Amino acid sequence: DAKTTQPTSMDCAEGRAANLPCNHSTISGNEYVYWYRQIHSQGPQYIIHGLKNNETNEMASLIITEDRKSSTLILPHATLRDTAVYYCIVSYTGNQFYFGTGTSLTVIP
Amino acid sequence: KAGVTQTPRYLIKTRGQQVTLSCSPISGHRSVSWYQQTPGQGLQFLFEYFSETQRNKGNFPGRFSGRQFSNSRSEMNVSTLELGDSALYLCASSLGTVNTGELFFGEGSRLTVL
Repeated sequence: DAKTTQPTSMDCAEGRAANLPCNHSTISGNEYVYWYRQIHSQGPQYIIHGLKNNETNEMASLIITEDRKSSTLILPHATLRDTAVYYCIVSYTGNQFYFGTGTSLTVIP
Repeated sequence: KAGVTQTPRYLIKTRGQQVTLSCSPISGHRSVSWYQQTPGQGLQFLFEYFSETQRNKGNFPGRFSGRQFSNSRSEMNVSTLELGDSALYLCASSLGTVNTGELFFGEGSRLTVL
């Protein structure tokens, strides 16, 4: 599976959009991009995934560049409950994930 | 519907012992995967079972093993425990088809090896 690179940490003001970038320059054509988050001491929670088109659900939007070498997860109106570690993962199957170190997002009141 | 249930939630063992952890997936889910989380190594994939067969395996020694039963419940076993096996062990279930998106994680079993 392709490796991903994410910033170690980010801050975001409450109510503002949080934009979390991810680099996956070695992604191959049939690998999907997945985003999960982990709130302290809980199991990871699925957020969104996509192949090449932009995706949106009730939690977030996923923007994938045309060359698929990077993506951005957007939380449109961050709340304090969104403080978590966010993992960007690429996977062939979606049944086996190699989590990296993720981005620790802190939402500031 | 009920989520993924892991038991026990906490346990303490000593070096050399073995441990068995249990995971009950969401009803209808046929895939169960296991992850180890430590402060130093982060979240690492152990193995995945689908319809009672190990389908994928991570890079862990043979002391780590698992199985899945016909009702999709899964157990993982760690033999000859080492201090470094102290970790949060997370189980996740899914339908098991390719790229359906969502793994549902349990709250984990926290193992301390003394």
